[in-house]
Amino acid sequence: ETGVTQTPRHLVMGMTNKKSLKCEQHLGHNAMYWYKQSAKKPLELMFVYNFKEQTENNSVPSRFSPECPNSSHLFLHLHTLQPEDSALYLCASSQGDRDNEQFFGPGTRLTVL
Amino acid sequence: AQSVTQPDIHITVSEGASLELRCNYSYGATPYLFWYVQSPGQGLQLLLKYFSGDTLVQGIKGFEAEFKRSQSSFNLRKPSVHWSDAAEYFCALSGGSYIPTFGRGTSLIVHP
Repeated sequence: ETGVTQTPRHLVMGMTNKKSLKCEQHLGHNAMYWYKQSAKKPLELMFVYNFKEQTENNSVPSRFSPECPNSSHLFLHLHTLQPEDSALYLCASSQGDRDNEQFFGPGTRLTVL
Repeated sequence: AQSVTQPDIHITVSEGASLELRCNYSYGATPYLFWYVQSPGQGLQLLLKYFSGDTLVQGIKGFEAEFKRSQSSFNLRKPSVHWSDAAEYFCALSGGSYIPTFGRGTSLIVHP
């Protein structure tokens, strides 16, 4: 498989559940990103990893916990979420230079009941 | 500080008509600029990018964009829109960091 893949594509969870989103990139990139995209709101950068080290955490609530075990994989662990966390969660990767574009996965559509 | 403004939340055009989506940026030096497109239920895909040199850049799907330093703009254009171009379009800037700043997006609606 090529590009950036995300699983699952759709997820419905209750507020007390624990689930994880997975992202995998097959592009040899060293930077990986999590974004949240809600209806009628701008794209929100959540976390950035560069060479497996977290370089950015944009005041994200602790109920979201990222994990980057290697440069190809990125996880977002979810627990005790709120209904307002329902959104499209996008993963992206890049080479980590200013002139390199980001490559996005198709996203996980999350619904919190 | 850097910022990207896309003044139009929605743009409606008829199929076959020309298109221009506006993007204005704020950054103290020459920025790296990108346009992405997002089809419904999908991730973002790069249309084109500008770093330096020729201020008119060509992209995929028949899109082009022109960098105008004097106006701090990087507008996206297409001479003839197809129904399949209906999507969300994002302008982005990389300034001092590899982490880009995105605009809010412009939703393109195409009427038959």
